[in-house]
Amino acid sequence: GIQVEQSPPDLILQEGANSTLRCNFSDSVNNLQWFHQNPWGQLINLFYIPSGTKQNGRLSATTVATERYSLLYISSSQTTDSGVYFCAVRSGGSNYKLTFGKGTLLTVNP
Amino acid sequence: DAGVTQSPTHLIKTRGQHVTLRCSPISGHKSVSWYQQVLGQGPQFIFQYYEKEERGRGNFPDRFSARQFPNYSSELNVNALLLGDSALYLCASSLVGSGNQPQHFGDGTRLSIL
Repeated sequence: GIQVEQSPPDLILQEGANSTLRCNFSDSVNNLQWFHQNPWGQLINLFYIPSGTKQNGRLSATTVATERYSLLYISSSQTTDSGVYFCAVRSGGSNYKLTFGKGTLLTVNP
Repeated sequence: DAGVTQSPTHLIKTRGQHVTLRCSPISGHKSVSWYQQVLGQGPQFIFQYYEKEERGRGNFPDRFSARQFPNYSSELNVNALLLGDSALYLCASSLVGSGNQPQHFGDGTRLSIL
């Protein structure tokens, strides 16, 4: 099945810093989503972005489907941004499930 | 509009027991999927249901089963519970069963097996 690799696995920032999270995938996809899982376990939709670029406030994402990667940018980070960021993809061959990466654990210190 | 709702939020069971978890999708969504997330890992796909039919199954034993009702809500059943079944169980809904629609997740049911 499709493989999803996220980097870095851990990231520690000071409040106000910027960061870039990366997601590589091994096959073509028809769905790519970025999620933020907060310390209470809630999985929050950030972006649905199988291709192209989107922005939502301090967050933006870019997916280059032909090169099989996606990037999540966080600017002016806040302590509430802490948590685990997951990339999840759906490939054309198994179009009924999302395959998740192992996540990036982000800690933003005040 | 209400999001995906799951019940119960927490549950404690002992080995060998049976458990039923429930999920109500976003209004208008016809597809429901179930995922298991153990500590330190990303969610793993268990089942997808669309229009009351099973459309996909992950690599889980037959102790795991599910169904979808006419109102598109769903139940996940796990028999003969093992310690390793302790996890966060997440339900997700989407408009249709095909791949090019985002999935929206509920807050999950945290299951602990003693």
